[in-house]
Amino acid sequence: EAGVTQFPSHSVIEKGQTVTLRCDPISGHDNLYWYRRVMGKEIKFLLHFVKESKQDESGMPNNRFLAERTGGTYSTLKVQPAELEDSGVYFCASSQIRVGILSYNEQFFGPGTRLTVL
Amino acid sequence: TQLLEQSPQFLSIQEGENLTVYCNSSSVFSSLQWYRQEPGEGPVLLVTVVTGGEVKKLKRLTFQFGDARKDSSLHITAAQTGDTGLYLCAGASGTYKYIFGTGTRLKVLA
Repeated sequence: EAGVTQFPSHSVIEKGQTVTLRCDPISGHDNLYWYRRVMGKEIKFLLHFVKESKQDESGMPNNRFLAERTGGTYSTLKVQPAELEDSGVYFCASSQIRVGILSYNEQFFGPGTRLTVL
Repeated sequence: TQLLEQSPQFLSIQEGENLTVYCNSSSVFSSLQWYRQEPGEGPVLLVTVVTGGEVKKLKRLTFQFGDARKDSSLHITAAQTGDTGLYLCAGASGTYKYIFGTGTRLKVLA
């Protein structure tokens, strides 16, 4: 089974430009997450989709960031216009909820997109 | 704001030695995951612990979830060079949202 894939693996852009990151989750996973790690900091949650709906976007830094998941399959994260502080590694993860006596959520991560804004 | 502190931040040991990595918080988590990440790759899930006091073993790795579900530890027995990497804990706030720890960078020397 294919894992979570992300494209591109690296992106170098100028301040003010637009960049779109793509994530393809594991087939059949309804939940899709975006995370970000900026230099020297911990991985931080950006937002969570359940199918095509945004469940929680409390981690999105500002309105320059727009995430979509049309059709509930792959997702895109657009940064427009990019600023220097947007540099970092953007991770996507997907999961299905394991339901039982104790429900929990195993997330599987993609390799990340390293974004550098100059 | 929920925080997960990991210690130590860096650890360099000789092959064959044992080590323990700690993940601590003042918050209660519904579940906690441990990941290992290598350069240029995403975090790879090692284990999920759900019940307070739970102990899970994965070959030479032993994971424990604290009784109060606020802390966790990862113990590696007889470390190998292949264990080198960044170890991350992540606590679930509810079912969906994970808070990541600061990470422990482990280097095992031959």
